[in-house]
Amino acid sequence: GAVVSQHPSWVICKSGTSVKIECRSLDFQATTMFWYRQFPKQSLMLMATSNEGSKATYEQGVEKDKFLINHASLTLSTLTVTSAHPEDSSFYICSARAGGSSLGNEQFFGPGTRLTVL
Amino acid sequence: GDSVTQMEGPVTLSEEAFLTINCTYTATGYPSLFWYVQYPGEGLQLLLKATKADDKGSNKGFEATYRKETTSFHLEKGSVQVSDSAVYFCALRSSGGGADGLTFGKGTHLIIQP
Repeated sequence: GAVVSQHPSWVICKSGTSVKIECRSLDFQATTMFWYRQFPKQSLMLMATSNEGSKATYEQGVEKDKFLINHASLTLSTLTVTSAHPEDSSFYICSARAGGSSLGNEQFFGPGTRLTVL
Repeated sequence: GDSVTQMEGPVTLSEEAFLTINCTYTATGYPSLFWYVQYPGEGLQLLLKATKADDKGSNKGFEATYRKETTSFHLEKGSVQVSDSAVYFCALRSSGGGADGLTFGKGTHLIIQP
């Protein structure tokens, strides 16, 4: 139980295009989802926190107009990188937290999405 | 702000060797501390955690003790196996609230040779 999937697992796009990454909790309802970004040999950096049905809360320095997050249902959150540029190339990881259930406060992580912008 | 520092890798050991991966943290208040493991091609999995000082988290032969006096949460295992080869992340969650995201260290790549 407590499986989180991400789609796609990797994507290559041209500079200036937009890319959407999906994060799904497969067997539980996620009241909160988190989006992280990881550069090579660096730690995961929290980008934003989203609660189902409300606007995401972005960490300092993260452009909310560039990284659009939608958490429209209890099992799906999407991250859209708008007008992507090469410096946006990174590994994007989501996690989901059930809250108020037997799963408690633990975050369950997806396998990540590798974005390469040419 | 909060931060986590863990030893750089890769760490290469022979099977059955003793493992220590150091982790220290900087945070206000009383954070919860975690170790996550990431196997190739998979997402991060919670390995163990501790929520207050002097707590010891343990799982699959791994253990770590929350040391507030030294702000550390070192990961140890007495006898590693080839299957333990993975990337290990130390992380904390601040005491500000349950919905907070995690602050991670850079990860330590562990390689166990037969």
